Amino acid sequence: GAVVSQHPSWVICKSGTSVKIECRSLDFQATTMFWYRQFPKQSLMLMATSNEGSKATYEQGVEKDKFLINHASLTLSTLTVTSAHPEDSSFYICSARENRGGSRSNEQFFGPGTRLTVL
Amino acid sequence: AQKITQTQPGMFVQEKEAVTLDCTYDTSDQSYGLFWYKQPSSGEMIFLIYQGSYDEQNATEGRYSLNFQKARKSANLVISASQLGDSAMYFCAMREGPRRGSTLGRLYFGRGTQLTVWP
Repeated sequence: GAVVSQHPSWVICKSGTSVKIECRSLDFQATTMFWYRQFPKQSLMLMATSNEGSKATYEQGVEKDKFLINHASLTLSTLTVTSAHPEDSSFYICSARENRGGSRSNEQFFGPGTRLTVL
Repeated sequence: AQKITQTQPGMFVQEKEAVTLDCTYDTSDQSYGLFWYKQPSSGEMIFLIYQGSYDEQNATEGRYSLNFQKARKSANLVISASQLGDSAMYFCAMREGPRRGSTLGRLYFGRGTQLTVWP
């Protein structure tokens, strides 16, 4: 399958700082990327859908100004957690949907995730 | 209403035995896809198996098979000959068909089942 990378894999930061997480599709073009948040022992919660060249679509309850998403190219989307607080500590996972027509099987590929700890 | 329901928070199975992880779904779409992912403690989401709503045969991938019962709206994962390395969290997910106002490719996840394989 296709490969999606995330950087960094883990980050520890002080409260009030901003953290940027990158999601890259390494060997395919991704028109759409998805950002998820996962708390320990819980399911993945979709935060937003990132579309190349347009504004992200946020899920209800997710603060747009808090979680800035930029999908500048067909292979890169970034999530910036602004003014991070301890409650933002979580596991953030991105996935990328391959840019091809039709709807077949495994057309969405997940990154390895980024573990954010805010002190 | 929950789109994906996984009623088993935890399951235990002895090595080399088979185990079934339950998943029911809720959708009014005729076209949809069902997925199972494995998430080990490292956090990465590993795609296991896919079933399309129009597929007449149950999907199989090695030791994994999907018991698809469309009328019951269930998509149970069967793991045969369990191995110690199968211990992980397992998520069932659904992708609904293309529709106006809906993000193409969006996945809905269940709460997951923690599988423990013991020697």
